[in-house]
Parts: sequence; C-alpha cells; structure tokens
Amino acid sequence: GAVVSQHPSRVICKSGTSVKIECRSLDFQATTMFWYRQFPKQSLMLMATSNEGSKATYEQGVEKDKFLINHASLTLSTLTVTSAHPEDSSFYICSARRTGGRNSGNTIYFGEGSWLTVV
Amino acid sequence: KQEVTQIPAALSVPEGENLVLNCSFTDSAIYNLQWFRQDPGKGLTSLLLIQSSQREQTSGRLNASLDKSSGRSTLYIAASQPGDSATYLCAVKALGGGADGLTFGKGTHLIIQP
Repeated sequence: GAVVSQHPSRVICKSGTSVKIECRSLDFQATTMFWYRQFPKQSLMLMATSNEGSKATYEQGVEKDKFLINHASLTLSTLTVTSAHPEDSSFYICSARRTGGRNSGNTIYFGEGSWLTVV
Repeated sequence: KQEVTQIPAALSVPEGENLVLNCSFTDSAIYNLQWFRQDPGKGLTSLLLIQSSQREQTSGRLNASLDKSSGRSTLYIAASQPGDSATYLCAVKALGGGADGLTFGKGTHLIIQP
C-alpha cells in the first residue's frame, strides 16, 4: 500500500536554530502534500498545503517566513522551522494525496509524524 | 469555518464490549469524512473513508456511518480488543474551494482493558 515517510521522527534543537523535516511518498507521486501541527490534547491543525513546483498555501496565522515549505519533486516536501523557539515544540505530521489513478484524489496518506522539541 | 467535535474525549471499557465513537461537524458541505487511528507518537492510519453520498462503510469489526444533513458520524467498534487502544480521529474534507486539507476533531482516546 501507499506509504509516506517522515524524517526525522524525533529531533531536539536549540532555540534559535533551524530544523528541517522531510516528507516523502515512497511508492506514489503526490502533487499535493499537507503539513499539520498537533499540540498536546489538541486537534491536528492544517498549517499549509504544499504544491509541487509552486509556492505553498499557508493557513491563516501560520508565518510563511518561519515555516518554510519546499515541494521540489513529486515525492518530496520539506518543512523547515526557522529560528525555532520552545513554543514551536510540537508534533508535525505530513500527508500526501496520491496523484493519478482511479479515485486517487480521495485518499490521503499520512506520515508517521515528527516530534520537535526546542530547548 | 468548519468545526469538528468528537465525543467522548476519552473512553475506557473492558475487552469484548461493543462501543460507539461520535463525531459531529458544523458545515454539512463536505466532500468526505474519514476516521483515523493514531497510536502514541505515531502517524495516522486511515480506517474508513465515507464519501458524502454514502451512508456507511465497513471494514472488519469497524463500521462508520454518516448522516451529512445532521452533521454526524459514528464509528462502531465490535468486540473490542486491547489492540484497539489508541486515539481515534474524525476528519472532514470540505466540498470545493479553499484549502484542500482536512479538518480534524480532537479525537477520542480509547483504552480497552484486558
């Protein structure tokens, strides 16, 4: 079945540094990938929609200069948290929508998520 | 703005019981609704996907229903097992325009006691 891989699964970084999280679709092409953030006991919140070859679309309240998204290929999207602060500590998870094929647009596959701790 | 609410927030039941998890959404203009399972520190596993035109979907011991007009969905788990312990999330996809992501509920944390 379709698999989405996220890396790293856990990362600890110092305040003020930047950290990159990768989201890869392993056996399918994904024109669109989504990035979510989940704080403890809260809902998954959509941060941005990543479109291959174009600029990401950010949700209201999400700083595009702080959360840099690059979707350079049909199988890879990256989220870079720049100048991270402790309040950015959260669970970040990506998902990918399969491109092409019957009903391909209906199912979204999720990565395993990445725990970010900023100290 | 779409809001998704899941009740109960947490549930602990003995093994073998049948149980129902509830999900409600405020905007009935949805494309589809999905139920996910999330294990601690892990990603999401899609359990069932119901299109807006469908009323229910079944997979093994799981059955999900959708009443779009009333903005409700239920996930029925039959003969629960300890391995079913996880957080169950309900998410809706909006119909047409705007961001194409999903709107999630906060989830129901389920514990099945051996």
